[in-house]
Amino acid sequence: AQTVTQSQPEMSVQEAETVTLSCTYDTSESNYYLFWYKQPPSRQMILVIRQEAYKQQNATENRFSVNFQKAAKSFSLKISDSQLGDTAMYFCAFMKLQAGTALIFGKGTTLSVSS
Amino acid sequence: ETGVTQTPRHLVMGMTNKKSLKCEQHLGHNAMYWYKQSAKKPLELMFVYNFKEQTENNSVPSRFSPECPNSSHLFLHLHTLQPEDSALYLCASSRGEGAGELFFGEGSRLTVL
Repeated sequence: AQTVTQSQPEMSVQEAETVTLSCTYDTSESNYYLFWYKQPPSRQMILVIRQEAYKQQNATENRFSVNFQKAAKSFSLKISDSQLGDTAMYFCAFMKLQAGTALIFGKGTTLSVSS
Repeated sequence: ETGVTQTPRHLVMGMTNKKSLKCEQHLGHNAMYWYKQSAKKPLELMFVYNFKEQTENNSVPSRFSPECPNSSHLFLHLHTLQPEDSALYLCASSRGEGAGELFFGEGSRLTVL
């Protein structure tokens, strides 16, 4: 069975700083997706970034980038130039590339950005 | 109009009540999901429907009964719930199982008294 571990329950950062959220996962699959989702307080969960395991290049979306280390089964999220609107719970998630599966989530990291 | 809409947003019910949660997606997706989100726990997958057929029931108690009349609508019927069932229930949709990211609704906050 697949598992996703986020070892940082809470993190704090000041505006304009860079922060890295950690995620490790366990799977015997060779092909899969990895995602970071953001859930602002009392608001909808939205996708931040995704990575296909077969791609060696790390995904980037504006201020968000990942460090995907397939052999180490590590998938960290870097947020550059942090903004107050980045305050949210961040979830790392795993999905196999086959029918009969859904997203498997970590417990989440609560990120607080202060001015 | 948001992609995935859930109603009601908040629900308070007694242990003997029967209520339903509704989810509707406007994205043309084929798969729909129910997740339970409790404090300090990972999101728990409850049910998956792919092309209206239930493809996963993650050992959910029978007091939760899903219904998917078509690819755009998903219901979660609730009866004889327990206080520990109080949680945020999230609906999501995707193009198909294992076919990429899920799109989530805002959730229905359920409180069982």
